[in-house]
Amino acid sequence: DADVTQTPRNRITKTGKRIMLECSQTKGHDRMYWYRQDPGLGLRLIYYSFDVKDINKGEISDGYSVSRQAQAKFSLSLESAIPNQTALYFCATSDRTGYAYFGPGTRLTVT
Amino acid sequence: GQSLEQPSEVTAVEGAIVQINCTYQTSGFYGLSWYQQHDGGAPTFLSYNALDGLEETGRFSSFLSRSDSYGYLLLQELQMKDSASYFCAVSGPSGGYQKVTFGTGTKLQVIP
Repeated sequence: DADVTQTPRNRITKTGKRIMLECSQTKGHDRMYWYRQDPGLGLRLIYYSFDVKDINKGEISDGYSVSRQAQAKFSLSLESAIPNQTALYFCATSDRTGYAYFGPGTRLTVT
Repeated sequence: GQSLEQPSEVTAVEGAIVQINCTYQTSGFYGLSWYQQHDGGAPTFLSYNALDGLEETGRFSSFLSRSDSYGYLLLQELQMKDSASYFCAVSGPSGGYQKVTFGTGTKLQVIP
């Protein structure tokens, strides 16, 4: 079984819709992250969480919210999707050394 | 905060050696790591340096100089399958915890 799973893997939605991307991990790590990847822009941090009670904004948090339901679960929500949120989204976990395990990614298209 | 710089693209010949550089700025430092990502795939961990010097893992080596805020990834005996994007990432303190920040990636093209 994969260490980090993401659902859905692909999603097409319309402008203005609310959607949730879910992430689960079996590594037992406290640290979890949501990244967005656009061509030529690398991995940009949206939100990160160091434990269940800790949520922090990353560099591009506007238009997004997160929920850390449990140590193993970290979900990302787009309250009202817009076309420029079309991107590849990755969830990741890390241990204290910074060795990050990534999920397979969710390809989101907003029309 | 944390920021990193690496070249956007590198082209190298199959069988050759290529070096991908990374410079970083961070208010605190725990380590520098490298990740490989093939098109459409997830980033996968390659190496991690917490101390100055060279770490070798098979055909890949990674170097760190903390005094220069600089590191590089060295790929030897290049193979076509090494064509991918390579990201450096710095881990450092953030409010009593540790945060990982990624560079924008270097797209490596290996040509015959």
